[in-house]
Amino acid sequence: DGGITQSPKYLFRKEGQNVTLSCEQNLNHDAMYWYRQDPGQGLRLIYYSQIVNDFQKGDIAEGYSVSREKKESFPLTVTSAQKNPTAFYLCASSIGVSEAFFGQGTRLTVV
Amino acid sequence: AQKVTQAQTEISVVEKEDVTLDCVYETRDTTYYLFWYKQPPSGELVFLIRRNSFDEQNEISGRYSWNFQKSTSSFNFTITASQVVDSAVYFCALLYGNNRLAFGKGNQVVVIP
Repeated sequence: DGGITQSPKYLFRKEGQNVTLSCEQNLNHDAMYWYRQDPGQGLRLIYYSQIVNDFQKGDIAEGYSVSREKKESFPLTVTSAQKNPTAFYLCASSIGVSEAFFGQGTRLTVV
Repeated sequence: AQKVTQAQTEISVVEKEDVTLDCVYETRDTTYYLFWYKQPPSGELVFLIRRNSFDEQNEISGRYSWNFQKSTSSFNFTITASQVVDSAVYFCALLYGNNRLAFGKGNQVVVIP
């Protein structure tokens, strides 16, 4: 079945540690997105990518990094520079101007 | 600046009542697309409806309907005869520019049996 797979579902990070969230899609979509969701804040765009080897910063890119080496994959690294990383992270993909498809999310907690 | 505003935060209705969610957007683009998504407790966003900027025809799809008015930059969404399964967070979204997708803060809908 086609879709978007995010892993892991739950992730715990120690202070000062970098962690990487995985996002894979088999929908052959060109565009991929990363969003952060905090209570009462809605979805805020971290990074997005329209094609392989190209990506743009969203509204809250500081403390995050991404790569787009393959069309199917768009991993997000939460670096130690992100001071408040505890949140729900959602990955999405789309093609053209059609609706975006979302993964099931990764809940990241700092311990 | 591109922006999506959903003013109400939580809306409670009794089952079988209608519920309308308001969405106001801002964009400089002449071509853009508007969406409504549903987020059930599981967390994954589910696409509901899509409307482009050059088609103001309002439609009904099952229990869902929407009212798009460019003159007031509004894209309101109505659930008719609500059911408990409609309890979720609903997001309005705007696709603009270089396929950048912006979301509002969401409306928590609680349907009381």
